[in-house]
Amino acid sequence: AQSVSQHNHHVILSEAASLELGCNYSYGGTVNLFWYVQYPGQHLQLLLKYFSGDPLVKGIKGFEAEFIKSKFSFNLRKPSVQWSDTAEYFCAVTLNQAGTALIFGKGTTLSVSS
Amino acid sequence: GAVVSQHPSWVICKSGTSVKIECRSLDFQATTMFWYRQFPKQSLMLMATSNEGSKATYEQGVEKDKFLINHASLTLSTLTVTSAHPEDSSFYICSARVQATDTQYFGPGTRLTVL
Repeated sequence: AQSVSQHNHHVILSEAASLELGCNYSYGGTVNLFWYVQYPGQHLQLLLKYFSGDPLVKGIKGFEAEFIKSKFSFNLRKPSVQWSDTAEYFCAVTLNQAGTALIFGKGTTLSVSS
Repeated sequence: GAVVSQHPSWVICKSGTSVKIECRSLDFQATTMFWYRQFPKQSLMLMATSNEGSKATYEQGVEKDKFLINHASLTLSTLTVTSAHPEDSSFYICSARVQATDTQYFGPGTRLTVL
């Protein structure tokens, strides 16, 4: 069965530190890749997505992610985090078939201290 | 754009009663909506895929007679938890898919507490 792995359960950073959250998926075919963020008390919001083309995608709030097909990875990065980035981050994939459901990773809690 | 709402945002009910949760796509039409369940500090678990005008597709282990899903229009899907028990207490989240971009947008969730 397809699955998504997020390596870091809880990441603690100071403001201005750089961030990289790992995400790997297990599926040999074509996938669509997503990162969602859930701020405390809020609903899931789409950060960025990759379907095809340039493997380096930029999202909202200064986040970016790079798709490396050979590594089945889609890591999320931000050069300099802010206290307001404290949230839960979820990596998710859909199979490249219209209408398929998202398969979520377990999530990574990011805590940023000011 | 792509706003999804859920109602109610929280509900407390007695064991044995039924609870209906609504999921609406406010500014777009969604032929496909999804229902998830999220346990504290855990990821989202897909419960079912709701397709407008047809029967929902349930994930393995999800009782379709207990979690009734109706997707009667292109902007509304409902999840009814029938004969709720305390173990059904959870955070239920829906998403609606924008067909043109194959991207899902999530509602704010409904906190269900069964006493």
